[in-house]
Amino acid sequence: ELKVEQNPLFLSMQEGKNYTIYCNYSTTSDRLYWYRQDPGKSLESLFVLLSNGAVKQEGRLMASLDTKARLSTLHITAAVHDLSATYFCAGLLSGSEKLVFGKGTKLTVNP
Amino acid sequence: GAGVSQSPSNKVTEKGKDVELRCDPISGHTALYWYRQSLGQGLEFLIYFQGNSAPDKSGLPSDRFSAERTGGSVSTLTIQRTQQEDSAVYLCASSLAWTASSYEQYFGPGTRLTVT
Repeated sequence: ELKVEQNPLFLSMQEGKNYTIYCNYSTTSDRLYWYRQDPGKSLESLFVLLSNGAVKQEGRLMASLDTKARLSTLHITAAVHDLSATYFCAGLLSGSEKLVFGKGTKLTVNP
Repeated sequence: GAGVSQSPSNKVTEKGKDVELRCDPISGHTALYWYRQSLGQGLEFLIYFQGNSAPDKSGLPSDRFSAERTGGSVSTLTIQRTQQEDSAVYLCASSLAWTASSYEQYFGPGTRLTVT
């Protein structure tokens, strides 16, 4: 059974600072996804990581995947208020199309 | 182009009633997924349809839940004899699937179900 754990679950940071959200998963996962969710809204796809060592960047967000450590990270560089949201990672259960989500990290960026 | 659409956006129903939730996937997407999001359980997979294959129903929480997908496009999730614990946001997603560049699942806006 695939289990996905994120930490921290809550993150309050100041604008301009850097931080990393961690996503550990328990067993082989074919792909690792990162999503963003704003309050009352649906999930917005940020990154799909397909292989060991994959790194993807979009603006102030960078995601990486280490399949040997079963770890993905979402790094935030020079945070701005607009990044305030809840971020979810999700693993794909091997051999299926089911996404297994972490509990989410609620990020608040303070001016 | 148009994204995944869901209706209704909000549904309030009395305990014991049946409800139907609708999902229109992105045109051309062969895979369709239902998830639900609740405070207590987070985001949970419910069911997955891929083309004409038998659906993966392994996430459905009880036999009160069923889903169908007609003509490989629109899907309906039906909850019979609703219970208060069914209150959640029901999210639908679609993807092209099976191609190297199409691994993303695109989510709809969700249906917020409240069972009173």
